[in-house]
Amino acid sequence: GESVGLHLPTLSVQEGDNSIINCAYSNSASDYFIWYKQESGKGPQFIIDIRSNMDKRQGQRVTVLLNKTVKHLSLQIAATQPGDSAVYFCAENSHTDKLIFGTGTRLQVFP
Amino acid sequence: DAGVIQSPRHEVTEMGQEVTLRCKPISGHNSLFWYRQTMMRGLELLIYFNNNVPIDDSGMPEDRFSAKMPNASFSTLKIQPSEPRDSAVYFCASDGGGGSTDTQYFGPGTRLTVL
Repeated sequence: GESVGLHLPTLSVQEGDNSIINCAYSNSASDYFIWYKQESGKGPQFIIDIRSNMDKRQGQRVTVLLNKTVKHLSLQIAATQPGDSAVYFCAENSHTDKLIFGTGTRLQVFP
Repeated sequence: DAGVIQSPRHEVTEMGQEVTLRCKPISGHNSLFWYRQTMMRGLELLIYFNNNVPIDDSGMPEDRFSAKMPNASFSTLKIQPSEPRDSAVYFCASDGGGGSTDTQYFGPGTRLTVL
């Protein structure tokens, strides 16, 4: 029979456009957040992180926004490129060594 | 920097056989994590070590799974006996062991298929 897998939300964007990937986290005590990118056949790769005492952090073409009031995290990718196509995971940490991962969002970039 | 190294990259075995997955963390990192990733359940933490000591093994599915870290540069995850439902990609990750704000870096994974 068919297996039921996790339903990954998919974001489709045109090359050159900006992408925004959203994540709702669960624990209001979480104080550290990370975005990972996972390409097909590879392990999750660190993109950018943010601590709870910040609202925004910028990297190269990427920006992470944190809204602690509504427990929301977003990843913005500027000028999205085909190489950005991957599954993106947010992860949170609340005073432990363990990360709690979200289910992921698939980003598809089309020309 | 070589990053986290895992071997083998692919493993195909028959039900009932013993499987051993290997991991070399990033040099200087004090914490090591074993994860399993499947379509059904996503990314699950199985066990993690700090300074070679197992800290939390609550994610280990059952007694068929065991993990060791004999020294700071090597860890194994063993499944004995293996079953088809163990088929998944197994990742190893390491971080500096500095607590809640340390970043975990992942290896390339081992894709396990149990027939």
